[in-house]
Amino acid sequence: GNSVTQMEGPVTLSEEAFLTINCTYTATGYPSLFWYVQYPGEGLQLLLKATKADDKGSNKGFEATYRKETTSFHLEKGSVQVSDSAVYFCALSARGGGADGLTFGKGTHLIIQP
Amino acid sequence: EAEVAQSPRYKITEKSQAVAFWCDPISGHATLYWYRQILGQGPELLVQFQDESVVDDSQLPKDRFSAERLKGVDSTLKIQPAELGDSAMYLCASSLFRDSFSGNTIYFGEGSWLTVV
Repeated sequence: GNSVTQMEGPVTLSEEAFLTINCTYTATGYPSLFWYVQYPGEGLQLLLKATKADDKGSNKGFEATYRKETTSFHLEKGSVQVSDSAVYFCALSARGGGADGLTFGKGTHLIIQP
Repeated sequence: EAEVAQSPRYKITEKSQAVAFWCDPISGHATLYWYRQILGQGPELLVQFQDESVVDDSQLPKDRFSAERLKGVDSTLKIQPAELGDSAMYLCASSLFRDSFSGNTIYFGEGSWLTVV
């Protein structure tokens, strides 16, 4: 079946540090890959996505590249801010007829200290 | 910006009681999803609708959970009877297209927190 594995947190960084959150996946076929962000007490917001190999998704300074050869979709940001503190979820959507619900990783809690 | 609306935001219920959650997807979205998120974990898909039809309910505990989307617009998720292990956030989400498609982004609501005591 489909699965997503992401690094466990919490990840604690100082403001302006470089961020990497690792994500690897297992899927049949050619999934689309996503990063969602969840702020305390809220639902999930789409951060970025990539739909085919070598695609790079980017938004708000965050980037992730779809690497089919390593089945990875690592999230990066060059300089984090306190406002980036949240839980980040890596997810995939495997194409298979009409059923395309997302499979999520367990989430990585990011804490940015001033 | 259009949003997925959910209610109630918070619900406390006693074990063995019935509870229901309501979701209104973004207007025009054909596909609607219900997810359950246990504290500290990622969301898990419970049920997926395309219009009024269920296309995936393989992870829905059908002995106590039911979901409907009668007119293909809003949806209700019901739990009866509620158990302590049902305490979680219930997320509704929607997407525009019916078929798996590279542009088929899924948008989430704010979630409904359930505490069973």
